[in-house]
Amino acid sequence: DAKTTQPTSMDCAEGRAANLPCNHSTISGNEYVYWYRQIHSQGPQYIIHGLKNNETNEMASLIITEDRKSSTLILPHATLRDTAVYYCIVRVAISGGTSYGKLTFGQGTILTVHP
Amino acid sequence: DAGITQSPRHKVTETGTPVTLRCHQTENHRYMYWYRQDPGHGLRLIHYSYGVKDTDKGEVSDGYSVSRSKTEDFLLTLESATSSQTSVYFCAISDHDEQYFGPGTRLTVT
Repeated sequence: DAKTTQPTSMDCAEGRAANLPCNHSTISGNEYVYWYRQIHSQGPQYIIHGLKNNETNEMASLIITEDRKSSTLILPHATLRDTAVYYCIVRVAISGGTSYGKLTFGQGTILTVHP
Repeated sequence: DAGITQSPRHKVTETGTPVTLRCHQTENHRYMYWYRQDPGHGLRLIHYSYGVKDTDKGEVSDGYSVSRSKTEDFLLTLESATSSQTSVYFCAISDHDEQYFGPGTRLTVT
């Protein structure tokens, strides 16, 4: 699976958009970009994933550059409850190989949302 | 939230004793995983299962064994617990590409 690079920490004001970057310059053509987050003391929570098109769901938007070497997770209106560690993970989809969906977590980005 | 429970939620045990952690799901998902989380290491995969009686090792499998005799249960066993196995253990399930995690088990080996 491709390696990802994320900033160690970021701050955001409540109500503003939080834009979390991720670099994955060695991503392969069949690898997806996944985002998870972990709120203190809880299990990680799936947020969103995509291959090459931008994706949006009720939680966030995912913007993937045309060359797929980087992406940005956008939380459109951050709240205090969005304070968490955000993980960007790149891997093959379950249906795309023998990875069986294994996730490799890095250190992630600590996002702190301030009042 | 996905129907995943872990038991026990907290456990303190002594070095050398066997310990079994249980993950139970009500979602009928095919894939199940055990991770551990330690400061400075993030989450690391211990073992995973891709079906009943079908399991394989993850990146930190030494000292752990697993069993899956039915779809809903995935057991993690520490045959002889060591202090290095003090950690928070998370179970996860998946049927497609998203994984859903349980609340975790905090294990302390003294």
